[in-house]
Amino acid sequence: DVKVTQSSRYLVKRTGEKVFLECVQDMDHENMFWYRQDPGLGLRLIYFSYDVKMKEKGDIPEGYSVSREKKERFSLILESASTNQTSMYLCASSLGYKGAAHEQYFGPGTRLTVT
Amino acid sequence: KNQVEQSPQSLIILEGKNCTLQCNYTVSPFSNLRWYKQDTGRGPVSLTIMTFSENTKSNGRYTATLDADTKQSSLHITASQLSDSASYICVAHPYTGGFKTIFGAGTRLFVKA
Repeated sequence: DVKVTQSSRYLVKRTGEKVFLECVQDMDHENMFWYRQDPGLGLRLIYFSYDVKMKEKGDIPEGYSVSREKKERFSLILESASTNQTSMYLCASSLGYKGAAHEQYFGPGTRLTVT
Repeated sequence: KNQVEQSPQSLIILEGKNCTLQCNYTVSPFSNLRWYKQDTGRGPVSLTIMTFSENTKSNGRYTATLDADTKQSSLHITASQLSDSASYICVAHPYTGGFKTIFGAGTRLFVKA
């Protein structure tokens, strides 16, 4: 069974802290994604990775960075957390080189609160 | 601008009733469209996928339709169950060969006993 796991379900951090969100997939997928989900808005793409050490900016990369050292692991980093980064963060993976048409498999999400 | 708009924003129905959720998209050129179901506290899960040449696709009690001319899709749920309570997200993929995916804001469905 396909599985995407995220390191934390709930996280509370203070403004200015460095925050790491980890995502692991066990399906040998090439593509991995980080989204944020806010009420009334669709999922918005933060960063995308189509191979190890490869990354591309999504729609809202400001304030975030990512790391993909191994195929199965994709990390999202908030260098200096701010209150406007309070949100639900979803990780996803899919098959194929830049294969947007392939089904994305999502993790359960991390609800991050920055105070 | 590529956009996906869903209606209604939320919907309450009684268990056993049918309902239809709407999705309008302005994605062009268009490759395919998916409907995802997102249970509370979980990530979205794909229900159906349709290419521009398909008109309808079923998955159990879920039936999706697509009209590529009017750029509209609908998701029909038959004989609703309490477990259908969730958000339903319409997603359009542009035909660009890239990774861009356009998500709608979702319809929140509440099924009451």
